[in-house]
Amino acid sequence: KNEVEQSPQNLTAQEGEFITINCSYSVGISALHWLQQHPGGGIVSLFMLSSGKKKHGRLIATINIQEKHSSLHITASHPRDSAVYICAVRSPNTGNQFYFGTGTSLTVIP
Amino acid sequence: DAGVIQSPRHEVTEMGQEVTLRCKPISGHNSLFWYRQTMMRGLELLIYFNNNVPIDDSGMPEDRFSAKMPNASFSTLKIQPSEPRDSAVYFCASTKSGGRVGGEDTQYFGPGTRLTVL
Repeated sequence: KNEVEQSPQNLTAQEGEFITINCSYSVGISALHWLQQHPGGGIVSLFMLSSGKKKHGRLIATINIQEKHSSLHITASHPRDSAVYICAVRSPNTGNQFYFGTGTSLTVIP
Repeated sequence: DAGVIQSPRHEVTEMGQEVTLRCKPISGHNSLFWYRQTMMRGLELLIYFNNNVPIDDSGMPEDRFSAKMPNASFSTLKIQPSEPRDSAVYFCASTKSGGRVGGEDTQYFGPGTRLTVL
């Protein structure tokens, strides 16, 4: 049983499309992170949120604590958005452990 | 700032050898995390430090793994003896913790060390 589930696992989109990646979790959390891992392997932290919504450029992250669900949206997608997007949660109920989703592999085609 | 610095970037060693991975966090950050990433298991948190003190090492796979943070600007992850199943990319990340449980700012990841144990 995975504490964090992401969907879809793989996603291919045309440049310009609006993209949504979903993350559901089963543990109580203090924070949820969205990470981006580029094809070269480097990891960038996109968002850390515990409630509501955050926006950075074309990226928007939302979280619904009651439903234990978060979404990452990409507006006007671009080929450089092609990466693996990983959802991670931190749970105070289990000693502040981190739980990671298996990632969503996004490919944006020009 | 140079960001989180990890060394070496690549390490190839033989089974049974000792391996030491190094990390220099961003200046001013007081929390440091060691992660491991494999194809089979994805990303896993191994251990994290707050103000140089190990807070949670429950992710460390076994006694062959040890981590230290002798000061605010340096941490090591050691594997002794190494085994082929330790082959993975090891990431270090740092952040500025607000001190509250779970309170933290964005984590900044190093480029990773790709370890291959033959």
